[in-house]
Amino acid sequence: QKEVEQDPGPLSVPEGAIVSLNCTYSNSAFQYFMWYRQYSRKGPELLMYTYSSGNKEDGRFTAQVDKSSKYISLFIRDSQPSDSATYLCAMSYTSGNTGKLIFGQGTTLQVKP
Amino acid sequence: ETGVTQTPRHLVMGMTNKKSLKCEQHLGHNAMYWYKQSAKKPLELMFVYSLEERVENNSVPSRFSPECPNSSHLFLHLHTLQPEDSALYLCASSQDEMGQGNEQYFGPGTRLTVT
Repeated sequence: QKEVEQDPGPLSVPEGAIVSLNCTYSNSAFQYFMWYRQYSRKGPELLMYTYSSGNKEDGRFTAQVDKSSKYISLFIRDSQPSDSATYLCAMSYTSGNTGKLIFGQGTTLQVKP
Repeated sequence: ETGVTQTPRHLVMGMTNKKSLKCEQHLGHNAMYWYKQSAKKPLELMFVYSLEERVENNSVPSRFSPECPNSSHLFLHLHTLQPEDSALYLCASSQDEMGQGNEQYFGPGTRLTVT
């Protein structure tokens, strides 16, 4: 079983829709949760960074972490064609002198005008 | 995009060539990373440097050789590569290698094609 599971999609939605992107994980040690956006032919760009459970909102983006279910989500409200990209979840933990950061496979999102 | 820069952006090389990829971070971070990104696969962590010391080498073939001369610069030296090494090579940096502050910031990547 992979430590982080993410549906690669592609996910296609009309402009203005609410988008829900999700990842599940198996290691309960993960403490820090991130979402990255990657446009074609570019490096990943950090969108959201959260610690432990709860919600975090930034403009049209909301990140949600449910540690009891080992499930994280990214919601995009009023989606725009410019949101078309691949979205990668990532999560990390620290144990003593070691740390681990794992990325999901990425979900490709297309927002159609 | 100016936080982490990578050169060259595109590279085509034969299997017998030797080339180097360069990464520079302008964020004052202490940790730097090399990743390989192939189509339809998750990011593969290759090397981790913390305060200029290599702290992780994820079973990467010896034809890839990293170098970190200081905390702002990271190189990936390439020699006798194989066609399956063709991929996007991403450099990243973070404030620290672990704990809070380990969110990573990526460069634009070098698109490598091995012929």
